Amino acid sequence: DAKTTQPNSMESNEEEPVHLPCNHSTISGTDYIHWYRQLPSQGPEYVIHGLTSNVNNRMASLAIAEDRKSSTLILHRATLRDAAVYYCILRVGGTSYGKLTFGQGTILTVHP
Amino acid sequence: DAGVIQSPRHEVTEMGQEVTLRCKPISGHNSLFWYRQTMMRGLELLIYFNNNVPIDDSGMPEDRFSAKMPNASFSTLKIQPSEPRDSAVYFCASSPFSGSTDTQYFGPGTRLTVL
Repeated sequence: DAKTTQPNSMESNEEEPVHLPCNHSTISGTDYIHWYRQLPSQGPEYVIHGLTSNVNNRMASLAIAEDRKSSTLILHRATLRDAAVYYCILRVGGTSYGKLTFGQGTILTVHP
Repeated sequence: DAGVIQSPRHEVTEMGQEVTLRCKPISGHNSLFWYRQTMMRGLELLIYFNNNVPIDDSGMPEDRFSAKMPNASFSTLKIQPSEPRDSAVYFCASSPFSGSTDTQYFGPGTRLTVL
């Protein structure tokens, strides 16, 4: 499986934008980029995913580099509730069932 | 919808005892996953079912672990006999279909402590 590299931790202030980077230099053409997050004492929850184009939803935006070797999850206005571990995951496309392989993720701390 | 339901939420048992964890997926979802989370190893996929059939059990650690899905609304993960190193949080997740674009919905987890 192609691997991802994320910073161990990041900090932000409440109501400021947060940019969470992810490197995936060995990504293949059919791999989808997924982001999940895990709030304290909860199961992971889906945030967003994309293939080539930038994506927006109610939770966040995903900016994908033109060569697809990196991506950035953007939280436009961080709240205290956004403090969580954020996982960047590559999922194999095609006929595969797209196994989710979690790495260590980025621990996001949001300061009031 | 109530989401993925797991029971019990906490389980404390003694080494050598049998442990059964239960999961009710979201109605209509045809894929079910069991994960284990520890500080040392992070989140690991144990087994994946599609339409009640085990498809990928390569993550099941050893013969002490077994999982079943007798119908679309129920799955169990059994550990027999349990060992202290099995202490972890076990998550069940379900998804509407299996593929690289589906969303997995996770339950709240079962925290297992084996003394």
